[in-house]
Amino acid sequence: DGGITQSPKYLFRKEGQNVTLSCEQNLNHDAMYWYRQDPGQGLRLIYYSQIVNDFQKGDIAEGYSVSREKKESFPLTVTSAQKNPTAFYLCATSTQETQYFGPGTRLLVL
Amino acid sequence: KNEVEQSPQNLTAQEGEFITINCSYSVGISALHWLQQHPGGGIVSLFMLSSGKKKHGRLIATINIQEKHSSLHITASHPRDSAVYICAPRRGSARQLTFGSGTQLTVLP
Repeated sequence: DGGITQSPKYLFRKEGQNVTLSCEQNLNHDAMYWYRQDPGQGLRLIYYSQIVNDFQKGDIAEGYSVSREKKESFPLTVTSAQKNPTAFYLCATSTQETQYFGPGTRLLVL
Repeated sequence: KNEVEQSPQNLTAQEGEFITINCSYSVGISALHWLQQHPGGGIVSLFMLSSGKKKHGRLIATINIQEKHSSLHITASHPRDSAVYICAPRRGSARQLTFGSGTQLTVLP
């Protein structure tokens, strides 16, 4: 089946720890995105990538980093510099017509 | 002021009712998406439209670019329509979206 997979579904982070959220797609889409969703707020763009080996900061990139070494993969690292990382993280791809979303990862800080 | 405003924030309806969700935005856009988010968090794209009206089953989306306004209508609503509906305008040729905070719809049997 074509789609986007995100893992894990739930992730716990200790203070001062970096964690990496996985996003894999087999849709053969060039463009990939990471969004953050907080309760009662709209999704906000963290990073996006239009093509392999290239990515740009979104509206709230501070405390996050990404890589795009393969077309299929766009992992997001939440660093210890992100002071309020508890949120729901969504990975997406897009064509000219539509955006496709992964199932999301819920990150909680212990 | 938020760039994207949705109304209402919460909506409860009885099964069979006609539903309207509104979206207003303050920036120039090239297109607008309507998205549906279910309780588990997964999001699916319902429509992308840049003018006029689109229909898919019981869902109808309209947009007026000049008035910076879009509406999502659900005819003959059903409990399975219960979800958060999100309006997301797209600026220019870029595919990045700006998201409204969503409308929580609950349809009671």
